[in-house]
Amino acid sequence: EAGVVQSPRYKIIEKKQPVAFWCNPISGHNTLYWYLQNLGQGPELLIRYENEEAVDDSQLPKDRFSAERLKGVDSTLKIQPAELGDSAVYLCASSVSGGPQETQYFGPGTRLLVL
Amino acid sequence: GENVEQHPSTLSVQEGDSAVIKCTYSDSASNYFPWYKQELGKGPQLIIDIRSNVGEKKDQRIAVTLNKTAKHFSLHITETQPEDSAVYFCAAATYNQGGKLIFGQGTELSVKP
Repeated sequence: EAGVVQSPRYKIIEKKQPVAFWCNPISGHNTLYWYLQNLGQGPELLIRYENEEAVDDSQLPKDRFSAERLKGVDSTLKIQPAELGDSAVYLCASSVSGGPQETQYFGPGTRLLVL
Repeated sequence: GENVEQHPSTLSVQEGDSAVIKCTYSDSASNYFPWYKQELGKGPQLIIDIRSNVGEKKDQRIAVTLNKTAKHFSLHITETQPEDSAVYFCAAATYNQGGKLIFGQGTELSVKP
């Protein structure tokens, strides 16, 4: 079974530029998560989707971050414009459903460096 | 909201020794506690989890214990091997917040051959 796929794996951009990350969850998983992981820290939830609906985006900085999951499968996370402090790893995870005891499976992450 | 504290931040053991990582949580409503292993350049990988109706769970060399009264849970790795070297994260989830995981700060485990 294929795992969560993310691309690109690495991205280097200059500040104020836009950037987008793509995630393909495990087949059949209805719930998709985007996490932010700063260096030396645990992941922090940015947004959670149940199918196409964003059910928890309270931690998403909406002035510069946006996300979509138009057909309830793939998802993109966008930053515009990027700031130096956005340098981090952006992780995507998926689970069969969004229950509190559902196992979340993580992708390899996209490592963003903003110069 | 929920807060998870993890200790120690770094842990070095000799191959074959045991390693113990401890976490405490603040929200008594939390009922799901997974442990993830993250190797350099990779995403977190689930290694074991425990639910609030269970006090202990074991899978080969890995075990997790949960004390709901004290609000802490621990990861035990026995007969450590060099390939166990990685960063380990504990996490907690609360029923009324769906699948939102709150992670600890991580423990960097080094197993010396």
